[in-house]
Amino acid sequence: GAVVSQHPSRVICKSGTSVKIECRSLDFQATTMFWYRQFPKQSLMLMATSNEGSKATYEQGVEKDKFLINHASLTLSTLTVTSAHPEDSSFYICSALLTGNTIYFGEGSWLTVV
Amino acid sequence: EDKVVQSPLSLVVHEGDTVTLNCSYEVTNFRSLLWYKQEKKAPTFLFMLTSSGIEKKSGRLSSILDKKELFSILNITATQTGDSAIYLCAVESNTGKLIFGQGTTLQVKP
Repeated sequence: GAVVSQHPSRVICKSGTSVKIECRSLDFQATTMFWYRQFPKQSLMLMATSNEGSKATYEQGVEKDKFLINHASLTLSTLTVTSAHPEDSSFYICSALLTGNTIYFGEGSWLTVV
Repeated sequence: EDKVVQSPLSLVVHEGDTVTLNCSYEVTNFRSLLWYKQEKKAPTFLFMLTSSGIEKKSGRLSSILDKKELFSILNITATQTGDSAIYLCAVESNTGKLIFGQGTTLQVKP
């Protein structure tokens, strides 16, 4: 079964609204989670590193005020896309780092902004 | 700047052919190199390589890492149409961060 659960798997939202994507580690605690974005026919691009109990570390070029990351517990990180625009439509995927340095991916979330 | 480069970007072969996918990297604080297969959703894990010269094998797939020359190859023998996918190479830093290559899109024709 899934080790990392991501929800929702698909979401459609109106331009200007905000949408939240959740990433949960199941049966283990993840102090570090990562958020990636993948545009069609492109590879995964790291957006930010989410650390439990502290601020996320964003990659260069990623707007931290637009992509809000909260990692309030050891099993949950959330990514909120604020004031979404059509160009934010993408595949968003999280991963969690398990003790022993094993990485597990969530199932991914397809965001469509109309 | 850390980077991972894959080649070729796309490849079309016929069933039964053997393919070799390449991945070169320049990453500080290297921990491991990983290969993933991506179809329609999340990438699925294929291999993790940490040591040079040790081939990892899983069925028709195999992979090897050269830490001196900073590259890895993924071989697929006797390809099948089900092998059609995007193959992603990623290098993991010691923080757990993955840096992905552009991916190789493989199409296997019947």
